[in-house]
Amino acid sequence: QKEVEQNSGPLSVPEGAIASLNCTYSDRGSQSFFWYRQYSGKSPELIMSIYSNGDKEDGRFTAQLNKASQYVSLLIRDSQPSDSATYLCAVTPSYNTDKLIFGTGTRLQVFP
Amino acid sequence: DTEVTQTPKHLVMGMTNKKSLKCEQHMGHRAMYWYKQKAKKPPELMFVYSYEKLSINESVPSRFSPECPNSSLLNLHLHALQPEDSALYLCASSRDRGPYGYTFGSGTRLTVV
Repeated sequence: QKEVEQNSGPLSVPEGAIASLNCTYSDRGSQSFFWYRQYSGKSPELIMSIYSNGDKEDGRFTAQLNKASQYVSLLIRDSQPSDSATYLCAVTPSYNTDKLIFGTGTRLQVFP
Repeated sequence: DTEVTQTPKHLVMGMTNKKSLKCEQHMGHRAMYWYKQKAKKPPELMFVYSYEKLSINESVPSRFSPECPNSSLLNLHLHALQPEDSALYLCASSRDRGPYGYTFGSGTRLTVV
């Protein structure tokens, strides 16, 4: 079982729609969760962090965390073509909080 | 200054060469990281430095040698690499060790011939 799992996609949504990206993790003791956006050929960029159960909103982005289900998601409202990228879920494992474990990423395509 | 600067952006080296990658940040971050990313794969942790001391080595082959001369600088020395070491090498920093988000540099795209 992979430590952090994501559907590789691509997830295709029309412009203006809500994109929903999902991530599950295997370490029940994990406490810190991050979403990074990576454009093709570029480096990852931190867009959201979440530490507590529930929702956290920042502009068009909402991160949702459910520790009981070991599930974290990212919603992107009013999706734009510029949102087309790979979204990486990252989790801090309980056995070593000095590192991040990345999922394989979900490729999002927003079409006009 | 909210950036992590990596040089060079591209590097082509032969298997017998010695080269170094450089990473610099001036955000006062106390933890710095080297990650390796192959095409269509997630970043994989190589090394973690915390307060200029090596705190994690993810069983990286000795042909990769990290160095942290001061709190702002991180180097990765390369020697006798293999073609399979070709990848994007990413440096990152965070406020401190622990559960903080990382700021990544733009990376060095390394090709070993």
